[in-house]
Amino acid sequence: EAGVAQSPRYKIIEKRQSVAFWCNPISGHATLYWYQQILGQGPKLLIQFQNNGVVDDSQLPKDRFSAERLKGVDSTLKIQPAKLEDSAVYLCASSLGRSNSYEQYFGPGTRLTVT
Amino acid sequence: GQSLEQPSEVTAVEGAIVQINCTYQTSGFYGLSWYQQHDGGAPTFLSYNALDGLEETGRFSSFLSRSDSYGYLLLQELQMKDSASYFCAVLNYGGSQGNLIFGKGTKLSVKP
Repeated sequence: EAGVAQSPRYKIIEKRQSVAFWCNPISGHATLYWYQQILGQGPKLLIQFQNNGVVDDSQLPKDRFSAERLKGVDSTLKIQPAKLEDSAVYLCASSLGRSNSYEQYFGPGTRLTVT
Repeated sequence: GQSLEQPSEVTAVEGAIVQINCTYQTSGFYGLSWYQQHDGGAPTFLSYNALDGLEETGRFSSFLSRSDSYGYLLLQELQMKDSASYFCAVLNYGGSQGNLIFGKGTKLSVKP
């Protein structure tokens, strides 16, 4: 079974530029999550999708971050414009459904550096 | 508010047993998960406790006491490959969806 795929793996941009990350979850997983992980800390949930609908985006900085999950499969997370404090690893995860939220499968992440 | 506390670092020797504690304060608590993350790698699921008691999976065991808002991960017969960060994560249910709130992680170093 293929795991969660993410791209790119690394990205370096200047502040005020825009960037997009892509995620393909495990086939059949209805729930998709985007996390931000700052060095030395645990993952912090940004947004959660159930199929193609948003169920929790309470911690997403909506003035600069946006995400979508078209057709309930792939998802993209965008930052525009980026700030220095956005430097982090962006992790995508998926689970079978809401009843399996305790067991999430993570992708390798995208390491973003904002200079 | 919601908070999780776990030690920042633990060091142990190969073959030993180590316990990583986690205390939490949260509303909407449903259960406690544990994840392992090697440097530069993705978090991987280890175990989940929804009920009080001990869950055993090979060399790893996890314990939960809901009345004490406390849990721990027990790693036995430590191997060098167990050197990693370990995160406890509270499963919260608010509204219609569950989501995980992660602690800051415990960095385990296994020495020969």
